[in-house]
Amino acid sequence: QKEVEQDPGPLSVPEGAIVSLNCTYSNSAFQYFMWYRQYSRKGPELLMYTYSSGNKEDGRFTAQVDKSSKYISLFIRDSQPSDSATYLCAGTSGSRLTFGEGTQLTVNP
Amino acid sequence: DAGVIQSPRHEVTEMGQEVTLRCKPISGHDYLFWYRQTMMRGLELLIYFNNNVPIDDSGMPEDRFSAKMPNASFSTLKIQPSEPRDSAVYFCASTYQGPSFQETQYFGPGTRLLVL
Repeated sequence: QKEVEQDPGPLSVPEGAIVSLNCTYSNSAFQYFMWYRQYSRKGPELLMYTYSSGNKEDGRFTAQVDKSSKYISLFIRDSQPSDSATYLCAGTSGSRLTFGEGTQLTVNP
Repeated sequence: DAGVIQSPRHEVTEMGQEVTLRCKPISGHDYLFWYRQTMMRGLELLIYFNNNVPIDDSGMPEDRFSAKMPNASFSTLKIQPSEPRDSAVYFCASTYQGPSFQETQYFGPGTRLLVL
């Protein structure tokens, strides 16, 4: 079993839609949870991180962690074509990041 | 800052050849990570260094892979001999373990390796 499971998609939505991206994890030692965004042929870049359970909002993006169910979510409001990318969730224990497979998102104008 | 720098950006080689990938981390960062990304397996951590010392190499697939960090501004990942199944995008990332323990890793643009 992978430590972080993520539906690879692809996911295609119209511009302006609310997008929900989800991951589950199995490692109880994970302390921080991250969402990275990766544009085609680029390296991943950190989008948001959260510590422990709860919500964190940054503009159109909201990250949510539920440690009791080991569930991680990223919500994108008013999605834009520029949000088209692969989104990778990750958990960390110590200095080691463990990534999900990534979900490929396309926002159609 | 220029960010994490990787070279070459693309590499095509024949099976059995030696391949060397290079990385320059962001100045002042004390952690360096090597990842491999494939469609089948996603993004996998191969090895990471702290203050130039290898800390965890459990992700290195086999003895054909080796990594070094001779100083704080340079690291190499070597594959010898290379095999077609090594074809992937190899990323280098660096971070600074500050007092807030924020794990923000900054990734380089990657090296696309194709082994024929």
